[in-house]
Amino acid sequence: AQSVTQLDSHVSVSEGTPVLLRCNYSSSYSPSLFWYVQHPNKGLQLLLKYTSAATLVKGINGFEAEFKKSETSFHLTKPSAHMSDAAEYFCVVGYSSASKIIFGSGTRLSIRP
Amino acid sequence: KAGVTQTPRYLIKTRGQQVTLSCSPISGHRSVSWYQQTPGQGLQFLFEYFSETQRNKGNFPGRFSGRQFSNSRSEMNVSTLELGDSALYLCASSLVGVYNEQFFGPGTRLTVL
Repeated sequence: AQSVTQLDSHVSVSEGTPVLLRCNYSSSYSPSLFWYVQHPNKGLQLLLKYTSAATLVKGINGFEAEFKKSETSFHLTKPSAHMSDAAEYFCVVGYSSASKIIFGSGTRLSIRP
Repeated sequence: KAGVTQTPRYLIKTRGQQVTLSCSPISGHRSVSWYQQTPGQGLQFLFEYFSETQRNKGNFPGRFSGRQFSNSRSEMNVSTLELGDSALYLCASSLVGVYNEQFFGPGTRLTVL
């Protein structure tokens, strides 16, 4: 069965400290993996995507994610959090063979001053 | 390039009524998908249209329907509204489909009284 699990529903970090948002997926296929961000009362914006090229993917606003096939993980990181990073983050898995998409339940990121 | 636009941005309806939401995709995008977002259920996939044909459908009752026009604009209709239909409805467009990069609109906030 295909699924995606975001391991933390809420993460709180201090401004200037590293951010780690965790995502695991299960699949027997080779998926495409995405991270989207949603600011309050806004639509989703693509942060980065993995489509079987380099395993370390760099995105916008200093975010990056590493695809680890052996661990079926695609964790999102940022070296130094900024107040503007406070938002909801979604890990998303896409399966071209099934023309299907699965969203994680989301992780709310809070930034402490 | 103009982004995905959704109209109206806000709607208030009463139970039993029906509603039609509209989505204009990015120029050249043939795939339009719809999502329902609620605090309790998170982001749920409704359906995807590609070149005027419904290509994928989520697990929603038949009260939820959609269509896509030849210019790729899409409409979503909900009949016999229920209180539980109150949600943010997001539309997204893509060049190739839901399994690849999507661009989201700002959403339509529907409140059912």
